[in-house]
Amino acid sequence: DIQLTQSPPFLSASVGDRVTITCRASQGIASYLAWYQQKPGKAPKLLIYAASTLQSGVPSRFSGSGSGTEFTLTISSLQPEDFATYYCQQLNSYPQTFGQGTKVEIK
Amino acid sequence: VQLLESGGGLVQPGGSLRLSCAASESTFNTFAMNWVRQAPGQGLEWVASISGSGGVTNYVASVRGRFTISRDNSENSLYLQMDSLRAEDTAVYYCAKGAFGTSYYGMDVWGQGTTVTVSS
Repeated sequence: DIQLTQSPPFLSASVGDRVTITCRASQGIASYLAWYQQKPGKAPKLLIYAASTLQSGVPSRFSGSGSGTEFTLTISSLQPEDFATYYCQQLNSYPQTFGQGTKVEIK
Repeated sequence: VQLLESGGGLVQPGGSLRLSCAASESTFNTFAMNWVRQAPGQGLEWVASISGSGGVTNYVASVRGRFTISRDNSENSLYLQMDSLRAEDTAVYYCAKGAFGTSYYGMDVWGQGTTVTVSS
């Protein structure tokens, strides 16, 4: 199985900060990576697919990059509604594993 | 498309439960579908997927042989039959649609989740 390691697991930031989350795969997954945002008690929301393509309706302050084994999710200017937990998921092979999550909290 | 899960509840270890997910669109048969679960206070875990036709299924190792994913395209419905349930299966279970109908671009529509509790 492909393991995904997200870092950091926890991040404290202020409104307006630039935030970067990293997701590393245990083997190459080309660009078959998605990013999700989840708020407490809610279902996840797809932000990015194919590593760098913004899902329709997602604000442009979110961006994704990377291929192979290293990927990043960047929020260019953190907004109050962005405080949440973020997950990466690899779609290259089954099981389609998730990273363990990165919780973004208010500093 | 909207997804609505049902069928969760409290079940004893070793018991069975069948989850359902109703889709609002008649193009349901063109979508790959998934079940994803989240144990209390934990992260997301992909559980199973099924192709649009229902002919191809995949499972995470921990549920293979105990859970069965299926679909009835005439009813726009997805199912997860869960047998031999264990305490570690306790979670919120989400059904989710594959983006662009496939399994390669993530999951773009999610249900609200249904809670399964396995306890004596």
